[in-house]
Amino acid sequence: ETGVTQTPRHLVMGMTNKKSLKCEQHLGHNAMYWYKQSAKKPLELMFVYSLEERVENNSVPSRFSPECPNSSHLFLHLHTLQPEDSALYLCASSQEGSGFGYGYTFGSGTRLTVV
Amino acid sequence: GEDVEQSLFLSVREGDSSVINCTYTDSSSTYLYWYKQEPGAGLQLLTYIFSNMDMKQDQRLTVLLNKKDKHLSLRIADTQTGDSAIYFCAERQDMRFGAGTRLTVKP
Repeated sequence: ETGVTQTPRHLVMGMTNKKSLKCEQHLGHNAMYWYKQSAKKPLELMFVYSLEERVENNSVPSRFSPECPNSSHLFLHLHTLQPEDSALYLCASSQEGSGFGYGYTFGSGTRLTVV
Repeated sequence: GEDVEQSLFLSVREGDSSVINCTYTDSSSTYLYWYKQEPGAGLQLLTYIFSNMDMKQDQRLTVLLNKKDKHLSLRIADTQTGDSAIYFCAERQDMRFGAGTRLTVKP
């Protein structure tokens, strides 16, 4: 365990379903992120929350909806997804502040398959 | 936008040294990172280097940074089969990742 826990590890959903991915960090970090990793593209940053406020969404389709109720929890709500959304979704956290260089801590990811 | 580029594949024999290369374009990056991803897992931070350093060594890992050429490399000494994974370099400014280099270690 890295200190960032993602659930579920695997998820299969139909295109009309609604589901949520959950991420929890126990590191006291103040920023959390969602990344998408697919076979065809490098890691894509989807959303950034710093101090519980969303600071970036990188033009992600509205069928992905993030929620950050507190600094330890991050959700990604999914609805009416497409097969091309099948990917590994990675959550990460970091401690943001000047001079801090320890990078991001990643969870193990949720493998999402849209059928 | 700024890019981070890596070669996609590297194959070495067990016991040899592996060198994974990365180039980046953002000269304002303060930290550069190497991550390792094993099958079915997330990314694990291996090591990082501050931009005012040109070398950092940590056991079997050596990171070299040529800031003038914006070139970063990761050398793994005495490569083992357990080192087989995808290795990502990343830069701090926007936390951009390269596409990853798949290292295969043959017995």
